[in-house]
Amino acid sequence: DAKTTQPNSMESNEEEPVHLPCNHSTISGTDYIHWYRQLPSQGPEYVIHGLTSNVNNRMASLAIAEDRKSSTLILHRATLRDAAVYYCILRDPYGGSQGNLIFGKGTKLSVKP
Amino acid sequence: EAQVTQNPRYLITVTGKKLTVTCSQNMNHEYMSWYRQDPGLGLRQIYYSMNVEVTDKGDVPEGYKVSRKEKRNFPLILESPSPNQTSLYFCASRTGGGGANVLTFGAGSRLTVL
Repeated sequence: DAKTTQPNSMESNEEEPVHLPCNHSTISGTDYIHWYRQLPSQGPEYVIHGLTSNVNNRMASLAIAEDRKSSTLILHRATLRDAAVYYCILRDPYGGSQGNLIFGKGTKLSVKP
Repeated sequence: EAQVTQNPRYLITVTGKKLTVTCSQNMNHEYMSWYRQDPGLGLRQIYYSMNVEVTDKGDVPEGYKVSRKEKRNFPLILESPSPNQTSLYFCASRTGGGGANVLTFGAGSRLTVL
């Protein structure tokens, strides 16, 4: 399975943008890039996903490199509630376990007031 | 509200005492899955189900059983719990196929086996 690499931790100030990087140099053509986050004491929640083009939703933006070997999750204005572990995951719908999501260790984002 | 509901949220039990963690979803999702989360090991898949009466092993199925008799329910059964099954458990569901389908997770069930 294609793997992702993320920094273990990042810090941000409240109200500032945050760019969370993810490397996935072995990504295949059918892999979707998913981002989930896990707030303290909660289950993971979906943030955003994309295949080739950049994506925006109410929570975040996803910027995907042209060669798809890396991507960046962008939180436009971090709030204290955004402090969480962020997981970058590749999902192959044709892979084993019918495209199960493989969660790595993610990036722990801290937000300072 | 669309959700995945797990019960119990917290449970302390003793070695060998059979227990069941229930999971129910109200979104008519075909796919359901169980994960466990342990410090330093991240989320690991235990079992998954593609639809009613179709289940398969994930990465760490030993010591667990599941069943899928109805679309909305996917209980996790520990026939003879052991201390190494002390963990935080999450149930999740999504629609059937495709790379774009996203998982909805339950709030988690924290299990302690003494």
